[in-house]
Amino acid sequence: GQQLNQSPQSMFIQEGEDVSMNCTSSSIFNTWLWYKQDPGEGPVLLIALYKAGELTSNGRLTAQFGITRKDSFLNISASIPSDVGIYFCAGQLPGGGSNYKLTFGKGTLLTVNP
Amino acid sequence: AAGVIQSPRHLIKEKRETATLKCYPIPRHDTVYWYQQGPGQDPQFLISFYEKMQSDKGSIPDRFSAQQFSDYHSELNMSSLELGDSALYFCASSIGVDTQYFGPGTRLTVL
Repeated sequence: GQQLNQSPQSMFIQEGEDVSMNCTSSSIFNTWLWYKQDPGEGPVLLIALYKAGELTSNGRLTAQFGITRKDSFLNISASIPSDVGIYFCAGQLPGGGSNYKLTFGKGTLLTVNP
Repeated sequence: AAGVIQSPRHLIKEKRETATLKCYPIPRHDTVYWYQQGPGQDPQFLISFYEKMQSDKGSIPDRFSAQQFSDYHSELNMSSLELGDSALYFCASSIGVDTQYFGPGTRLTVL
């Protein structure tokens, strides 16, 4: 099945620093999404990307849908302590039929030192 | 804004027992997805429903079944529970194939 390679696995940074994480795949995805998950909670949608080459911002977050449709990155600027959590990328397959499940990366654990 | 509701939030069962997890999608959402997340793992797709019909199936054990009802809520039924079924179970909802929004999850512990 499809696999997403997400890196880095974990990051330990100082408050105020910028963060970058990315996902790559051998398969083409129609949609890329970035979620943040706090321990024991459900993934919360941060950014959704629908078009190859699309660059989208949400406050201090910026994400891009790779032009090949096989990769995406997420940047967090000026990190704050509440950015702590696990960040997942997720890909949704091209349309057609009913196959719209999400395939997730393994996650990036972000720790922010105040 | 209304979110996806899941119940119960926590469930403890013995091996070989059955469990039923419920999911209430965001109002007007017609599609429901179930995911299983083991400790330290990423969510894995189990099954999905669109307009009360099963639309896709992932790595869901035969011991599990699910359905979507006329009010669009969904239930995941799990029988002959095993220790390995201990996990977080998430429901996500969407309008058709649009963006999926996740519920808070049900933590199932099998003893």
